[in-house]
Amino acid sequence: AQTVTQSQPEMSVQEAETVTLSCTYDTSESDYYLFWYKQPPSRQMILVIRQEAYKQQNATENRFSVNFQKAAKSFSLKISDSQLGDAAMYFCALYQTGANNLFFGTGTRLTVIP
Amino acid sequence: DTGVSQDPRHKITKRGQNVTFRCDPISEHNRLYWYRQTLGQGPEFLTYFQNEAQLEKSRLLSDRFSAERPKGSFSTLEIQRTEQGDSAMYLCASSDGQGMNTEAFFGQGTRLTVV
Repeated sequence: AQTVTQSQPEMSVQEAETVTLSCTYDTSESDYYLFWYKQPPSRQMILVIRQEAYKQQNATENRFSVNFQKAAKSFSLKISDSQLGDAAMYFCALYQTGANNLFFGTGTRLTVIP
Repeated sequence: DTGVSQDPRHKITKRGQNVTFRCDPISEHNRLYWYRQTLGQGPEFLTYFQNEAQLEKSRLLSDRFSAERPKGSFSTLEIQRTEQGDSAMYLCASSDGQGMNTEAFFGQGTRLTVV
């Protein structure tokens, strides 16, 4: 069985500052992928960043980067130079190869303060 | 193609009534997924289609729920004899042949309120 835990229900950050959202997971599989998805208010969920478990290098997408600690089963998201448009629910998700779905955490609501 | 679309966006129904939701995936995507999201929770998997075949159903999908994807295009999710516990956001997602290990594209969801 897999679990994804997001221990921060809410976070806030000043505009232009940096914030880190935490995620831990558990899986018995060796082949899996990790994701951060963003769900803005009343809008569809979109992919922020993706990490393949077999890659040691942390994924980066512009202002978004991850700290993937495989042994610790930790997958945090760092948002640099936060913008007002970053305000949203952020979900950490796990995909196990051979499965047919994503397994989501409970989410972290990020508020960006002007 | 404007992405995954879902209809209706909102539905209020009385307990015991039947409801049906529709999802139109991205046209070239052969994989389609339904999720349910309740307040304070992340999306929970309900069911998965590859083309017209329903290949997986979660234990969350009780006998009152049925999903179809005729001709491998749009999909419908029907809930019979709705209960208050069915109140949730129902999300549809689609992906290409590689599956959700690449990227899943979500619709805006249908928010169901059972009164």
